[in-house]
Formats: sequence, structure tokens, C-alpha cells
Amino acid sequence: AQSVTQLGSHVSVSEGALVLLRCNYSSSVPPYLFWYVQYPNQGLQLLLKYTSAATLVKGINGFEAEFKKSETSFHLTKPSAHMSDAAEYFCAVTSNRDDKIIFGKGTRLHILP
Amino acid sequence: DVKVTQSSRYLVKRTGEKVFLECVQDMDHENMFWYRQDPGLGLRLIYFSYDVKMKEKGDIPEGYSVSREKKERFSLILESASTNQTSMYLCASSLPWDTTYEQYFGPGTRLTVT
Repeated sequence: AQSVTQLGSHVSVSEGALVLLRCNYSSSVPPYLFWYVQYPNQGLQLLLKYTSAATLVKGINGFEAEFKKSETSFHLTKPSAHMSDAAEYFCAVTSNRDDKIIFGKGTRLHILP
Repeated sequence: DVKVTQSSRYLVKRTGEKVFLECVQDMDHENMFWYRQDPGLGLRLIYFSYDVKMKEKGDIPEGYSVSREKKERFSLILESASTNQTSMYLCASSLPWDTTYEQYFGPGTRLTVT
């Protein structure tokens, strides 16, 4: 069975500081991995995805994530946080065996002025 | 741009009422999904559909049913609403996984059952 674990339900960083949101996955087959973002009162939108090509994936709004098979991790980073990054972030996994995605419980990112 | 719309942003219903949540997508996607989102629990899959008139149970189907009579429309039905179904409901659609791997989400319906 597949699963994702997001470490930290709330993360606070100062504006301009590094953003690091942690995600570990479990999958018995090669996974496809995603980060989605949800801004207040909106649905989810895709930030970036790993689909077995390059292990360092760049997404929208300056975010990137690195797939590390040995650590079963897919952490999300951004070098310099902006106030507009305040949102909830979801890590997700699928195996391509079916069309379902398994979502993590989410991490709410707070940006401190 | 892919657009997924949901019939209501906010809904208040009474216990025991039958509730319909409607979702429409305009990109001819085969797959459609209903999730509920609760604080600390993330997104949990209720039902999904691979094609018209096809449906499969997700992780938490109890108390819900779905209908997909047309490709663009996927309805979630609460046969007899209960207070523990108060939640945010999110609809999503996608092409089959061998193409884009991405799900597109609607804005959500926040349902309160009193």
C-alpha cells in the first residue's frame, strides 16, 4: 500500500528565509510524486510533479523538490519565502497502477513578516 | 484552461435532508473524483469514476452515493445528511494516468449540517 507522511502540520518561516516542507513516501512500486498547494478558500493546484525523469523537479512560483529514493523522500523547498506563499501544501503519491492519488495530511505554511 | 466548477461554495443543510453536490468539468476528462477535506486529515477519497455510468468506492464511501450520467458531470449525494458529514468537499478531474498525471480541482463546497 502507498502512503505519504508530511512532517509538521504547521511550519512558520520568516519572509525571505528558506522554505522546507518535508514529505516521506511509502510505495512498493516506483512512485509518481506530487506537491499541491491550496490557497485560502480555493481548491488545490499542482505545484510540481515527479514522474521518473529528472530527480530535481522545478515547479511554479520558485518551488522545487528532489526525489531521493534512498531516503524515500520528496521534500519541497523554496530559497526565499514570500508572503504570498502562505497556504496549505499537500504531498501526494500514486503508482500509476490506477488513477487514484494518495494525499498527505497537509502542512500549513505561515510566513512571518 | 481546465475548469472544474462546483454548484455551491457554501451550503447549510439540516440533519436527515438529502443533499446533492454537483461538479462540472469542461475539458472532456474521463476521470472524476470526490474528496472530503477535514483539518488534520488531509483529503480522503469518497468515490471516483472512470467513465460515464461507472463508479468505484474510495476510502470513505459510507453515507454517500454518486451519479455520472454525462461525462462532464459528477454528482455526490448524501442520502440522509448527518452532522459528521459537515466538511469541505472537493471535486477533481483528470485524464487517464498515462498522459498528464495531474488532477484538476474545483474550488470546493463547504457543507454544514445542523
